[in-house]
Amino acid sequence: TQLLEQSPQFLSIQEGENLTVYCNSSSVFSSLQWYRQEPGEGPVLLVTVVTGGEVKKLKRLTFQFGDARKDSSLHITAAQPGDTGLYLCAGVAYSGAGSYQLTFGKGTKLSVIP
Amino acid sequence: DAGVIQSPRHEVTEMGQEVTLRCKPISGHDYLFWYRQTMMRGLELLIYFNNNVPIDDSGMPEDRFSAKMPNASFSTLKIQPSEPRDSAVYFCASSPQKGRVDTEAFFGQGTRLTVV
Repeated sequence: TQLLEQSPQFLSIQEGENLTVYCNSSSVFSSLQWYRQEPGEGPVLLVTVVTGGEVKKLKRLTFQFGDARKDSSLHITAAQPGDTGLYLCAGVAYSGAGSYQLTFGKGTKLSVIP
Repeated sequence: DAGVIQSPRHEVTEMGQEVTLRCKPISGHDYLFWYRQTMMRGLELLIYFNNNVPIDDSGMPEDRFSAKMPNASFSTLKIQPSEPRDSAVYFCASSPQKGRVDTEAFFGQGTRLTVV
């Protein structure tokens, strides 16, 4: 079983502050995805990183994939109350022949206080 | 497309009763996943299907759990008999995959199961 450890588990910050969430594993993944989940809803994909060292930006969100494709980080600049939610990282393991697994970390629950 | 549709949204049942959760994936998606989410354990993969065939059911907790996918547009997750520790939110997700590592998994809104 491939495990993904996310930290911190909970994060409460003031509007306008910056934050970083980490996702670590001892396993190598085909790609890594970040999802955001709001109460009463299913997770929704934010981004997929595929290449080791890759950096992707989505407005105020910056995602990085580690060189060894085992870890990733999500950095939010100038957080806003609308960023509040559960952020989940997910490792994709694809080996062809029908084998395609999506393993999730436990998530980081972010609260941005106005 | 209406997205992944799960039913019911909420289910409250007594211990020992049979529970059936239902999922309609997005048309054309090859893969269907069943997950369970709790505060303690997060989002756990229970089982997944490729083209209606179960590929990996190693996450199914025990024999009380079973899942079927009789056709490309319908899947069920059954718990018989149910126990209080089965209380959780159960999610179904589907993905077009198509041999790529960057495809998205689309989740339903989940079924919140409470076993009393």
